[in-house]
Amino acid sequence: GAVVSQHPSRVICKSGTSVKIECRSLDFQATTMFWYRQFPKQSLMLMATSNEGSKATYEQGVEKDKFLINHASLTLSTLTVTSAHPEDSSFYICSASLFTGFYGYTFGSGTRLTVV
Amino acid sequence: QKEVEQNSGPLSVPEGAIASLNCTYSDRGSQSFFWYRQYSGKSPELIMSIYSNGDKEDGRFTAQLNKASQYVSLLIRDSQPSDSATYLCAVNIGSGNTGKLIFGQGTTLQVKP
Repeated sequence: GAVVSQHPSRVICKSGTSVKIECRSLDFQATTMFWYRQFPKQSLMLMATSNEGSKATYEQGVEKDKFLINHASLTLSTLTVTSAHPEDSSFYICSASLFTGFYGYTFGSGTRLTVV
Repeated sequence: QKEVEQNSGPLSVPEGAIASLNCTYSDRGSQSFFWYRQYSGKSPELIMSIYSNGDKEDGRFTAQLNKASQYVSLLIRDSQPSDSATYLCAVNIGSGNTGKLIFGQGTTLQVKP
């Protein structure tokens, strides 16, 4: 089945630094990947839709200059949290689908970001 | 109104009972619906997908969809303690399958031995 690899699984960084999270589709090509954020006891909130070869589409309220998304190939999308602050501490999860819409979306294992 | 709504629970059922999880959605154009299970600290895993009105069964799980009522549910038969988790309802929002998967807030299920 479709496998999505995400790393790092955990990262602790100092306030003001940037962190890059990678999301790879291992056995299929994903033209579209999605980035979610999940705060404790809350659901997954869609941050942005990442399309290969074009600019990401951000959801309302998500700062595109703070959360930089690059989808340079059909198997790799990256999310960079720039100038991280403690309030950015969260669980970040990527997902991808072989065919968007009608098929279940496979999720990466998630990245626990802690900003100190 | 939230796009996808679930009762956050917790829903507590005894082992062996049927657990019934419910979800409503706001976009009438939505065509695909999913149930995910999420254990604490882990990413969601797909349990069921459903696209047509009616029931879809897979082992102990049955998904039910009623597009007229904008309602989708998940039944878990013979509930086991290992089923204890948060169940997330997800809906592909918008007609033509734009690909955006929107989640409800999740229902926490507790299966007591």
